[in-house]
Formats: sequence, structure tokens, C-alpha cells
Amino acid sequence: GAVVSQHPSRVICKSGTSVKIECRSLDFQATTMFWYRQFPKKSLMLMATSNEGSKATYEQGVEKDKFLINHASLTLSTLTVTSAHPEDSSFYICSARDSSSTDTQYFGPGTRLTVL
Amino acid sequence: GDSVTQMEGPVTLSEEAFLTINCTYTATGYPSLFWYVQYPGEGLQLLLKATKADDKGSNKGFEATYRKETTSFHLEKGSVQVSDSAVYFCALVLSYNTDKLIFGTGTRLQVFP
Repeated sequence: GAVVSQHPSRVICKSGTSVKIECRSLDFQATTMFWYRQFPKKSLMLMATSNEGSKATYEQGVEKDKFLINHASLTLSTLTVTSAHPEDSSFYICSARDSSSTDTQYFGPGTRLTVL
Repeated sequence: GDSVTQMEGPVTLSEEAFLTINCTYTATGYPSLFWYVQYPGEGLQLLLKATKADDKGSNKGFEATYRKETTSFHLEKGSVQVSDSAVYFCALVLSYNTDKLIFGTGTRLQVFP
């Protein structure tokens, strides 16, 4: 089946530093990838949609200068949390849609970010 | 606004017990409905889906019926196994924006032998 990986699985950083999270589709091409954020005991919230070769579309309330998304190839999207602060600590999950599928998203295992 | 509400967990059952996890939704138009499952240490996997009223999605012994009159999509399984222990997410996609999955909070299921 379709597999999506994320790296790293967990990261701890100091306040003010930037952190990059990678999302890869391993056995299919993904024209569209999605980034979600999950707070404890709350649902996944869509942060942004990225299309290969174009700018990401951010959901209302998500700071695009804070959460930089790059989707430079059909198998890789990156999320960079810039100047991270403790309130950015969260579980970040990506998903990818197979270019041949219309509505099925395949999810990565998530990245736990802790900002000290 | 559009939203999904799930029963809070954890749901704790003995093996071979009957499972119901409730899910209701609020949405404009005619959404498609999904159940995703997340096993420990893994990403969310699509379990089943239904795209219109009265459709029944089924997979691995799990079933859910799209009930428009009660705006519900409850997940059921007749006999759970220890290997079904996971977190289950109900979700919807709006017909006019199929990119945006709207998730419930997730329900943790724990099955004991």
C-alpha cells in the first residue's frame, strides 16, 4: 500500500531556533500534500495544503511566515517552523494524495515537536 | 461551522465484545464520511468510507452507515480482537472542497484478552 514517511519522528529544540520536518511519499507520486497539527485530546487541524511547484495554501489563522512549506518534488514536502516558541510544541502530521486518486489521503506517522 | 463529534474514550472492551463508537456531524451540503484508524506508532489509515446517504462502508469486520436523518456515521464491529486496539477518527470531506478533511477528536479503543 501507499506509504508516507516523516522525519524526524520527534525533535526537541530551543526557543528561537527553526526546525524542519520532512514528509515523503515512498511508493507513489503526490501532487498534493497536507500538513496537520494535533493538540492533546483534540482533533487534527489542517494547517495548509501544498501543491508541487506552487505556493502552499494556508488555512485561516495559520501564519505562513511562521510555518514555511516547500513542495519541490512529487515525493517530498517540508514544513519549517521558524523561530519556534513553546506554544508551537505539538504533533505535526502530513498526508499525501496519490496523483491518481481523487479523495484518499495517506498519512505519515507524525512528528512530535517540543520547544523548550 | 462544519464539525465532527465523537464519543470520548477510552473505550475498554473484552475480546469478542460488540463495539460501537458514535460519530455525528454538522456540515453544509452533502459530505463524504470516513473512519480512519491509527495503530500505535503508525500513521492514520483509511478504514472505511461512505459518500452518500444510506451508503454502508465496511472493511475488516467494521461497518458504518451514513445516516442523513440523524447526521450520524457510527462505527460498529460485532466481535473485537486485541489487534483492534487503536485510536479511531471519524472525519468528513465537504462536497465542494474535497481537499479539507475535518476530523473528530478520536476515540481510543482498548481490547483486553
